[in-house]
Amino acid sequence: ILNVEQSPQSLHVQEGDSTNFTCSFPSSNFYALHWYRWETAKSPEALFVMTLNGDEKKKGRISATLNTKEGYSYLYIKGSQPEDSATYLCASNTDKLIFGTGTRLQVFP
Amino acid sequence: NAGVMQNPRHLVRRRGQEARLRCSPMKGHSHVYWYRQLPEEGLKFMVYLQKENIIDESGMPKERFSAEFPKEGPSILRIQQVVRGDSAAYFCASSPYGNSGANVLTFGAGSRLTVL
Repeated sequence: ILNVEQSPQSLHVQEGDSTNFTCSFPSSNFYALHWYRWETAKSPEALFVMTLNGDEKKKGRISATLNTKEGYSYLYIKGSQPEDSATYLCASNTDKLIFGTGTRLQVFP
Repeated sequence: NAGVMQNPRHLVRRRGQEARLRCSPMKGHSHVYWYRQLPEEGLKFMVYLQKENIIDESGMPKERFSAEFPKEGPSILRIQQVVRGDSAAYFCASSPYGNSGANVLTFGAGSRLTVL
């Protein structure tokens, strides 16, 4: 059974702080790692998809890294803003996309 | 480009009734996935369909739940004889290619089922 774990479950930071959270996944039969951003009352939206060990992706102030050998990915947010407040989901893909339970980020002004 | 359309957004049913949730994938997408979000839990995979085919239904409860994606029209998730434990948000997603690798899923806004 594929288990995708995310930590922390929730995070409260001040505007301007940088933050990061972790996604761990079984490294066997790995194919791809996805990150999604899910704002309240909206749909999850894709941030990154990574497939190769050592992959790093960046979109504005958000970046992600991937270690497939040890089965983890980090998501970083530099200089958090209130509009970054959302739940960040990771998902690992073998034959189907399995989601973690997410990290709920709240950024206070 | 209307994205993934789900309806109804909210559905209230009494125990024992049937619930039908619809999902129209994004234009050009022929692969549909259904996920369920129970209160305080994450997205749980239910079923993956292509047109007229169920590819993977390993996440579907064995009884009362069924899904289809006909040649014409939306994908439908059907729950017969609903019970209170079926109350959840049901999300549909679509992709242009199959359920593997780097295919990004585009999600709908979800259908929230409440069973009284």
